[in-house]
Amino acid sequence: AQSVTQLDSHVSVSEGTPVLLRCNYSSSYSPSLFWYVQHPNKGLQLLLKYTSAATLVKGINGFEAEFKKSETSFHLTKPSAHMSDAAEYFCVVRILNNNNDMRFGAGTRLTVKP
Amino acid sequence: DAGVTQSPTHLIKTRGQQVTLRCSPKSGHDTVSWYQQALGQGPQFIFQYYEEEERQRGNFPDRFSGHQFPNYSSELNVNALLLGDSALYLCASTDGAVGPFYGYTFGSGTRLTVV
Repeated sequence: AQSVTQLDSHVSVSEGTPVLLRCNYSSSYSPSLFWYVQHPNKGLQLLLKYTSAATLVKGINGFEAEFKKSETSFHLTKPSAHMSDAAEYFCVVRILNNNNDMRFGAGTRLTVKP
Repeated sequence: DAGVTQSPTHLIKTRGQQVTLRCSPKSGHDTVSWYQQALGQGPQFIFQYYEEEERQRGNFPDRFSGHQFPNYSSELNVNALLLGDSALYLCASTDGAVGPFYGYTFGSGTRLTVV
């Protein structure tokens, strides 16, 4: 069965420093993986997606993620954090069934300090 | 082009009551999924509708039911509300043909509080 595990429930960085949000996946097949961001009291916004093309995926707002099959990881990174990046981030795997549902990780709350 | 629209944005109900939440998918999308997001947790899949039928269901009791209309809009109904049903309910839509490769578009959700 496909699933994702987000290794940190909370990450705190200073503005201007790099961001690393970690996600490991479990899948018997080549997975489709996504990162979504959720700002307070808002819906979920797609940051980026991996669908078996290039292993380094670039998303919106300067975020990128690298798919590493050998490590079963799909970590989200950003070179320089901005105050507006403070939010909840979810790693998501697409379930390989007829309906292509998605399973969410528990989320990582990113705090950005001035 | 409007995204996914959900109504109402907030709702307060009493235990034992019934509630209906509504969702209009993004233009061009024909598949609607519903998720429950409890406070401090990731969204949990409730069910998905396509061609007016429930295609798959997550681990939720029969108190949770839904419907999809010919215009692809959808409703989520919850009967006999429990305190534990308090959550943010998210609707997500996609084009059934390409959705798996492009993810879903989410609405801003309906915040349900059961008292």
